[in-house]
Amino acid sequence: AQSVSQHNHHVILSEAASLELGCNYSYGGTVNLFWYVQYPGQHLQLLLKYFSGDPLVKGIKGFEAEFIKSKFSFNLRKPSVQWSDTAEYFCAVNPLNTGGFKTIFGAGTRLFVKA
Amino acid sequence: DAGITQSPRHKVTETGTPVTLRCHQTENHRYMYWYRQDPGHGLRLIHYSYGVKDTDKGEVSDGYSVSRSKTEDFLLTLESATSSQTSVYFCAISDRRDYEQYFGPGTRLTVT
Repeated sequence: AQSVSQHNHHVILSEAASLELGCNYSYGGTVNLFWYVQYPGQHLQLLLKYFSGDPLVKGIKGFEAEFIKSKFSFNLRKPSVQWSDTAEYFCAVNPLNTGGFKTIFGAGTRLFVKA
Repeated sequence: DAGITQSPRHKVTETGTPVTLRCHQTENHRYMYWYRQDPGHGLRLIHYSYGVKDTDKGEVSDGYSVSRSKTEDFLLTLESATSSQTSVYFCAISDRRDYEQYFGPGTRLTVT
């Protein structure tokens, strides 16, 4: 079945540690890719997106993600996390060959950053 | 933040009762979506709309219906609520169907 997989459900890091959250998808065609973040008690908001061009995309708050087409991956990175990055992170894929209506979300990764 | 409101924000209802959730936007975006968020499942699409009176099913549409009579409003109805519909429901909007979505604050629904 077509899906979006996030490898880690829970991640605990200390402040200043580096972060990498994995995301793989199983759609073979052209896709638009997104990372969303949900801070405690808040709604989802966009961190970054990839449509085409440079596979290394930069988002808000120092986050970046790299699209590796051959690996069907779109991993999220941040060189040095802060306590305020504690949140749940969702990878999302929009397969354009389905008409673009249906964005598929991964199950999410809960990140807890220790101060 | 995009102008999206959801009402009610919290609701407790009994099994078998009908429930309607409302999503209201002030952005004049064409596309609107209803998702449910459950632990371990992320967000799953229930229904979406691509214009006034134009709607279609998503991944988990059984037991839900929607209506959109105005650009700004998208209603989600649970005809006869069941305990499996206990969830947090998010509305989202976008101005292109394959672009990023902007989410509302969510509605926490508990069916007892």
